[in-house]
Amino acid sequence: GAGVSQSPSNKVTEKGKDVELRCDPISGHTALYWYRQSLGQGLEFLIYFQGNSAPDKSGLPSDRFSAERTGGSVSTLTIQRTQQEDSAVYLCASRVFKGVAGGGYTFGSGTRLTVV
Amino acid sequence: AQKVTQAQTEISVVEKEDVTLDCVYETRDTTYYLFWYKQPPSGELVFLIRRNSFDEQNEISGRYSWNFQKSTSSFNFTITASQVVDSAVYFCALSETFSGGYNKLIFGAGTRLAVHP
Repeated sequence: GAGVSQSPSNKVTEKGKDVELRCDPISGHTALYWYRQSLGQGLEFLIYFQGNSAPDKSGLPSDRFSAERTGGSVSTLTIQRTQQEDSAVYLCASRVFKGVAGGGYTFGSGTRLTVV
Repeated sequence: AQKVTQAQTEISVVEKEDVTLDCVYETRDTTYYLFWYKQPPSGELVFLIRRNSFDEQNEISGRYSWNFQKSTSSFNFTITASQVVDSAVYFCALSETFSGGYNKLIFGAGTRLAVHP
């Protein structure tokens, strides 16, 4: 597609339930990132995928968070047993390839997650 | 460790005033990129500029200008003759190379700019 697509745009879930957030990157972009933006805060790195390499999961806040990227394209961020502090906007970004000169980062519109 | 500091949490100006948003960064890399993004109330991140660490030339784009100074590790952003539509949160970000040869963006906390008519 023309841009990075994220779904759903909004998700309200009950505390303790699992949620899945989806990111469809720009075709041909091998690098994919997930960020989290809590209310009034900056963007916090969560996880990075590059081609078939092992992902960098160093930003995942707890083992309730996991992500996968199937076929080097679509990625799913899963949060298990959601807590109220998980409420945030989850942003996905993609870029052409790794390396400092690997093109600009294109962000999706995000998924606003509210845990009630 | 790499870090981006935007000391100004909120700035409020009246339309047509000039405003400068400060950004200071820390990195051990010699090759890196600096970015500015705008996040309007609608929430999407809008790319404004990317600057290579080897290019210290200032840049002007319409009412926007950027001043990159490696000596002070700063990459400040000035809006001239501000308009109400400039109201947004502005993020400065640093992209550098990590082991494995990949990059990720490290964001500052953002500066919320409110431009009043």
